[in-house]
Formats: sequence, structure tokens, C-alpha cells
Amino acid sequence: SQQGEEDPQALSIQEGENATMNCSYKTSINNLQWYRQNSGRGLVHLILIRSNEREKHSGRLRVTLDTSKKSSSLLITASRAADTASYFCATVLYGNNRLAFGKGNQVVVIP
Amino acid sequence: EPEVTQTPSHQVTQMGQEVILRCVPISNHLYFYWYRQILGQKVEFLVSFYNNEISEKSEIFDDQFSVERPDGSNFTLKIRSTKLEDSAMYFCASMWGGGKNIQYFGAGTRLSVL
Repeated sequence: SQQGEEDPQALSIQEGENATMNCSYKTSINNLQWYRQNSGRGLVHLILIRSNEREKHSGRLRVTLDTSKKSSSLLITASRAADTASYFCATVLYGNNRLAFGKGNQVVVIP
Repeated sequence: EPEVTQTPSHQVTQMGQEVILRCVPISNHLYFYWYRQILGQKVEFLVSFYNNEISEKSEIFDDQFSVERPDGSNFTLKIRSTKLEDSAMYFCASMWGGGKNIQYFGAGTRLSVL
């Protein structure tokens, strides 16, 4: 089944730096979404990018989608300590609504 | 802001016992989901529910699992006879379905099967 795969798995950066995470998938998708999970908490939706879109912005977040390479990236600019969390990409296929999650990237922002 | 609530936050049970995990989705949402996350692994889809019936289920969702929306506000996941490997964080999610395709997740129930 379709699943996202993030790379790298863990990232440690200084506050103010940018953090970039990548995600790849295997088949055609309807959309791709990024979620954040703080330790021991639920998943919080960050941004959705549709298959016909190439780039989206939301505040300090920038997501790109390359359907020819079947990959997406999430960029967090000017990171803050509060951005420390795990970030997951999830794909949605045409015809259903199930989210297929990747393994997640753990991001630690050092104050 | 409306949110999905799940109870209990932590459930401990003996192997072979039945458990019911409860969720209150966001009130005007029409689609409901259960996912689970075994410690250190991916979040996995279990089941989706729409119009009072299961619309899709994964291979994980076998005969030991069932879902119900008994009263128009709660959405429950029942595991009939728990196994050690059912130990995981279980997340409920709901979605309006009017085109935004965004699922809102609860904080999860940690199920520990001993």
C-alpha cells in the first residue's frame, strides 16, 4: 500500500536555523499532508498540498511537491524551540480518505 | 477551537480482555477514523466510518475489532480479545468532508496489554 517515507530521521538544529525534511512515496496521489506530533500527544495537521500544486506556504512552513520524483519537502524557516516535535508526511490516494503515514522525522530545536 | 477528545488517555488491560476506546469527534464532522501507532513505528490506518457504516478498513482491522457510533456523538473502537501486540497508541480522527480533506486527531489512548 502507498506510504510516505521521510528522510532524514532525526535533525538537531539551533534556534533560528531552517529545518528541511523530505518525504518520498511510491504511487500516484491525490494529496500529501504534513503533520506534527509533540511527544506523547496527538497529530496536528500542518499543511496539505494537492497533486496539481508544486509549492505551498503557511506562515514559516513551505512545502514542495514533485510528482515526477514522487517526493515532497517540508521547510521550517527561522525555527523556534517550540518547533521541537516529530513531523510526518502522509499521502492520500484518489478514491479514499485514509492517510498513509511515513516513519516521521524527529526535529530538536536547541534554544 | 473544536477538538476531538479521546478517553481514557491510558488503558491497561489483561490479555484476552475486551476494551472499548472512546472518542468524541468534532460535532459537524461526517467522517471518522481510527489509527494506531505501535511504539517506535509508523501511524497505521485501521478503519474509516461514514454514514453509519465502515467505508474502508485495513488488513489490521480483523474480526477482533469493531467500531460503533452509538448515539450520534461518540465513536468507539472495541477490541474483543486483546493480544499483547495490540499494545499501541490509538488515535481517533474526524473530518468534515466538505472538500478540505483535513483530518483532526485526538490526543490518543495508550493501550497497554499485559
